[in-house]
Amino acid sequence: NAGVTQTPKFQVLKTGQSMTLQCAQDMNHNSMYWYRQDPGMGLRLIYYSASEGTTDKGEVPNGYNVSRLNKREFSLRLESAAPSQTSVYFCASLTGASGANVLTFGAGSRLTVL
Amino acid sequence: ILNVEQSPQSLHVQEGDSTNFTCSFPSSNFYALHWYRWETAKSPEALFVMTLNGDEKKKGRISATLNTKEGYSYLYIKGSQPEDSATYLCALMDTGRRALTFGSGTRLQVQP
Repeated sequence: NAGVTQTPKFQVLKTGQSMTLQCAQDMNHNSMYWYRQDPGMGLRLIYYSASEGTTDKGEVPNGYNVSRLNKREFSLRLESAAPSQTSVYFCASLTGASGANVLTFGAGSRLTVL
Repeated sequence: ILNVEQSPQSLHVQEGDSTNFTCSFPSSNFYALHWYRWETAKSPEALFVMTLNGDEKKKGRISATLNTKEGYSYLYIKGSQPEDSATYLCALMDTGRRALTFGSGTRLQVQP
């Protein structure tokens, strides 16, 4: 049972380049999330998808786009990377059954923008 | 944007000490409060989810309480061990959206 799988684990980009972070879950969860983690700032929500076919902005959406491709997959795209987007990105999922369920996180993707 | 505050930011204790941290949040529109444990170079892992005022949860030496009326939760660790060293995150889900807002965490270091 793989849980939440993120790719790539590491990536170095130059300013202005684009890339997509991929995320897939095999737990039949309804809701999926992208967070970024920066020192001293905990986890900040970039975008989320409460259910297949919907996406919503989180706290820090600028410079990102997302696609909920199907129930399993939720990708995060940086169209024109900036040094401020250097961070560790975590994908997570949550079953929609009730508020008592917990987030399951991927292993994280470390992105450096030069 | 919800404001979820955790204190202290960091804590150094000796092995065997008991300790506690606080998570404060706006009490209006409360839906659920989560606690996660995050070890260095790993992903956060869930400890507890609490939804009702007065909820108390326990897992081994770690326990948590919830007061939704005044907007706070406490996490307690009894007899800290070096393997308890981690960052402890709390997160709030409100009724407005199906997403968790995290606090910045309390970093605990337990000295042997």
